[in-house]
Parts: sequence; structure tokens; C-alpha cells
Amino acid sequence: NAGVTQTPKFQVLKTGQSMTLQCAQDMNHEYMSWYRQDPGMGLRLIHYSVGAGITDQGEVPNGYNVSRSTTEDFPLRLLSAAPSQTSVYFCASRSPGQQETQYFGPGTRLLVL
Amino acid sequence: AQSVAQPEDQVNVAEGNPLTVKCTYSVSGNPYLFWYVQYPNRGLQFLLKYITGDNLVKGSYGFEAEFNKSQTSFHLKKPSALVSDSALYFCAVRAYGGATNKLIFGTGTLLAVQP
Repeated sequence: NAGVTQTPKFQVLKTGQSMTLQCAQDMNHEYMSWYRQDPGMGLRLIHYSVGAGITDQGEVPNGYNVSRSTTEDFPLRLLSAAPSQTSVYFCASRSPGQQETQYFGPGTRLLVL
Repeated sequence: AQSVAQPEDQVNVAEGNPLTVKCTYSVSGNPYLFWYVQYPNRGLQFLLKYITGDNLVKGSYGFEAEFNKSQTSFHLKKPSALVSDSALYFCAVRAYGGATNKLIFGTGTLLAVQP
């Protein structure tokens, strides 16, 4: 299993540009989520999904859109990038039941100029 | 609302000494509790979790954590620290039951083990 994969690893954007951060998992997990990591603030939940066709907002959803057309993929879209969105973005998927564990991708480092 | 507090931004310990990284939580109902570790420029790796059962949980790399319901704490411990344990450690909590219950992270504690 590849686990959770993310592309790209690093991206530079200009203010106002849009882009999509890709996330895929091959573990057939229903639950997936996006976090951003900023110094001194830990990981904050942006959006999450409990299955294909179902998404919901986390703690910091403004400026981001998500969709979940398949179980495997959960892309995160930045509609109009702002410098405040400079961060490291992690995608995660969660195994179900009492043995649940959240698996993280390697991250995407985004710089918005 | 659920929350996690990691009161120490950094913990310094000498190699071979015991280490403790503190975590307290607030959640409605019973908690699922987790510890993750992040090495420089890497993603988060799962260390251990408490779901139910024994309050003392053993995890990867010799780490353990004790769930204390009365103190709402889930401190991470290791009897003898290694330089290679130096990393950023995150505690996380989510309310028991319900697929939509979110996993909320603390702000992280940087562990520095000196040789």
C-alpha cells in the first residue's frame, strides 16, 4: 500500500492565483481530512469528509473548497490564494472502528507571495 | 467544544533520563486520545492511542502514555530518552463515537534530547 499520497510537495503561488492540492489514499478509508500546520498553532482542521459525496467544514474552512467524488481522492482547492494561506498542508485518512488510526500524507509546503 | 492543551512548547532532557510530555484535554463524553510524532520536514507518524481499557498504553519506540480521567490528562512518557527521540510531539483528542467527530490537535511540544 502507498498509504496517503499528496502532490505537489512544494508550490509557490502569487496572490490571487488558484490551485488544487491533490490527496489520494489506497486503504479504502471513508474518513479523510485536510489540516494546515502553522508554527505555534499545531494542526488545524480545514475540511473533512466521511465518505464519497459528503464533506463538511472544520475549524478554518474559509478560502478553501473540497469535493469527494471517489473514496480514494480528496482534493483541496484554493480559490484565490492569499499570503495568510502560506502553510504546510497535510491530508489524512482514518481507519474505522475501535482500532481507528489516522494516517497522514507527507505534506505540501505552500508559499503565497 | 473539544480542545487539547500542551502546556510546554519545549521539553529538554538529557539522554538516558526519563522524559514526560504533558497533555490535557477537554471533550464531551469519553475521549479517544492519540499521540503523534513529527520529525523535521516529515509528516506525522502515529505513536499510540487510548480508546478504552487499560489506562496505561504502550506504543512505538518505547513510548507509553497514561490516561487519567479525573485529571483529564494523557501524558507521554519514556523511561530512558534517546537523542533520536528529538522531534515535535502532538497530542490529539476526539469525542467517542460518531464518524463525524473531529480529531483536534494540540499545538505541539518540541522534545530536545541532549547527548
